[in-house]
Amino acid sequence: GEDVEQSLFLSVREGDSSVINCTYTDSSSTYLYWYKQEPGAGLQLLTYIFSNMDMKQDQRLTVLLNKKDKHLSLRIADTQTGDSAIYFCAEPATGGFKTIFGAGTRLFVKA
Amino acid sequence: DTAVSQTPKYLVTQMGNDKSIKCEQNLGHDTMYWYKQDSKKFLKIMFSYNNKELIINETVPNRFSPKSPDKAHLNLHINSLELGDSAVYFCASSPGPGEAFFGQGTRLTVV
Repeated sequence: GEDVEQSLFLSVREGDSSVINCTYTDSSSTYLYWYKQEPGAGLQLLTYIFSNMDMKQDQRLTVLLNKKDKHLSLRIADTQTGDSAIYFCAEPATGGFKTIFGAGTRLFVKA
Repeated sequence: DTAVSQTPKYLVTQMGNDKSIKCEQNLGHDTMYWYKQDSKKFLKIMFSYNNKELIINETVPNRFSPKSPDKAHLNLHINSLELGDSAVYFCASSPGPGEAFFGQGTRLTVV
């Protein structure tokens, strides 16, 4: 079945870059997504990438997609303490009407 | 204006009780979901509705009964609550596959 995997924890120093990695199984996904969940809140769509793109940049965020390896990454430049959150990689399930989420990567930013 | 709102935000109840969580979205989306997030932050889909019709029921115990009176509302009723039902329940709505707008969550604690 469809699956999305990502490592559970990442700790970085303030000002460094963070790279959160994800692997997915459904190669037919048109879009792949990154969501951010801050403490006590729901998930918010952070960014997405269309499957025919290799890279997408949005201010401090860079998404890289390697379709051959089914690998997605999210790079946060100049990581700030406010970036501490859980980051979920996600892809739509075949047939729609469902989104498959990874387990979430907990990003800790040390001042 | 809150896009996806769910009530209550916190719910503490005794085992065996019946409770409901309400969800409303003002985004005009056709698709709505209920997700369960456990204490390890893993997110699992429970139900998916499209235009008031149940599309996905992910082997959720039949103590959980969703109801969609119209496409802007998706409520969740839970009978005979058990300790293992303690979790955060998220309602979400979607304009299309993969992209979802989440409510703030309802933290259910069964004692």
